[in-house]
Amino acid sequence: QSALTQPRSVSGSPGQSVTISCTGTSSDVGTYNYVSWFQQHPGKAPKLMIYDVTKRPSGVPDRFSGSKSGNTASLTISGLQAEDEADYYCSSYAGSYILVFGGGTKLTVL
Amino acid sequence: QVQLVQSGAEVKKPGASVKVSCKASGYTFTGYYFHWMRQAPGQGLEWMGWINPNSGGTYYPQQFQGRVTLTTDTSIGTAYMELSRLTYDDTAVYFCARDVSLWFGELDYWGPGTLVTVSS
Repeated sequence: QSALTQPRSVSGSPGQSVTISCTGTSSDVGTYNYVSWFQQHPGKAPKLMIYDVTKRPSGVPDRFSGSKSGNTASLTISGLQAEDEADYYCSSYAGSYILVFGGGTKLTVL
Repeated sequence: QVQLVQSGAEVKKPGASVKVSCKASGYTFTGYYFHWMRQAPGQGLEWMGWINPNSGGTYYPQQFQGRVTLTTDTSIGTAYMELSRLTYDDTAVYFCARDVSLWFGELDYWGPGTLVTVSS
């Protein structure tokens, strides 16, 4: 099972919006609505930001939103803030009990 | 409150095995699957498999089959990950995480990570 494809890096200025893509295949992202997004600050454990493609856990700001089209899922962060600077990872259920992660995207807030 | 507390850093020689623990508290231990992931220095997350604490059932991706063993001790609410035949490439931070959606990957709580260094 191959890793999901994410851009290595994205950047944006405070207050702007950025979108991070996560491209899989018809065997994972394209078939299942079990896409999650995680935020990871340096030296910390990942934190769940989005699950089931579009749902936000309690406590996650509504500036974070998720979507999916075909084999590509996306995480959009609006109203960028300095504390949003982190690495972001997507994951997807891929059938047959398998979970697959993306390679990660470094978000820089300029 | 839900907490996952992992064991401390380990240094192992090539060919040895390592066992990392993940003690859960604040919820019913047998109610949720555990996943294990690792992250090599400067790299992304790599999924290592899951365990159902209620039944002991496990699943390992092909690249870890035969080398990883996931277990739980329900009496003390602790999950374990044992990795054998260590190589330098196994140097990484190892994470446990709780899945609230069976095995579908809604990982809502993570342990802080355990650094395993393989060095001669």
